[in-house]
Amino acid sequence: NAGVTQTPKFRVLKTGQSMTLLCAQDMNHEYMYWYRQDPGMGLRLIHYSVGEGTTAKGEVPDGYNVSRLKKQNFLLGLESAAPSQTSVYFCASSYFSTGELFFGEGSRLTVL
Amino acid sequence: AQSVAQPEDQVNVAEGNPLTVKCTYSVSGNPYLFWYVQYPNRGLQFLLKYITGDNLVKGSYGFEAEFNKSQTSFHLKKPSALVSDSALYFCAVRDPRSYGGSQGNLIFGKGTKLSVKP
Repeated sequence: NAGVTQTPKFRVLKTGQSMTLLCAQDMNHEYMYWYRQDPGMGLRLIHYSVGEGTTAKGEVPDGYNVSRLKKQNFLLGLESAAPSQTSVYFCASSYFSTGELFFGEGSRLTVL
Repeated sequence: AQSVAQPEDQVNVAEGNPLTVKCTYSVSGNPYLFWYVQYPNRGLQFLLKYITGDNLVKGSYGFEAEFNKSQTSFHLKKPSALVSDSALYFCAVRDPRSYGGSQGNLIFGKGTKLSVKP
């Protein structure tokens, strides 16, 4: 099994550009999450989804949008990138709301 | 509000010595507690969790953690450290009273870098 796959792994954007990060999981998990990881700040939840067609805001949702049109995919969009969005983004999924999370390898985004 | 603290940014241990990575939490009620490990340029990997039951939880790679309700702690331990244990370790907590909503999501600590020297 591939588990949780994120694409792309690296991306450099200019301020104001848009992009979409794709997360795909093959474990039939209901719950999916997008986190960002910044030095000294741990992981912060951006958006999450409790099932196909549903999304909700996490701790730091501003400047991001998400969609979960298919159960296995969770997309994270940046409509107008800003330097403050330079970070490493992790997608995760879980079967139960109280279960352990399975993480992707991360997507490193740099906004110039 | 629920929170989790990892008071040490870095822990240095000699190979073969026991290691402890500290974690304290703040949540009302009985928490769900987790430890994850992150190797360089990789995603986080689940190590172990405490939901209920025995306060000593055993996990992957020889790690264990002890839940102490009175001290609101969930320290990660290993009897004999390996150089390959060097990584970033994250403690996380979830309030079990809320499911599906944002209150039910994991809150991560800032991480502790473990360095094991030969």
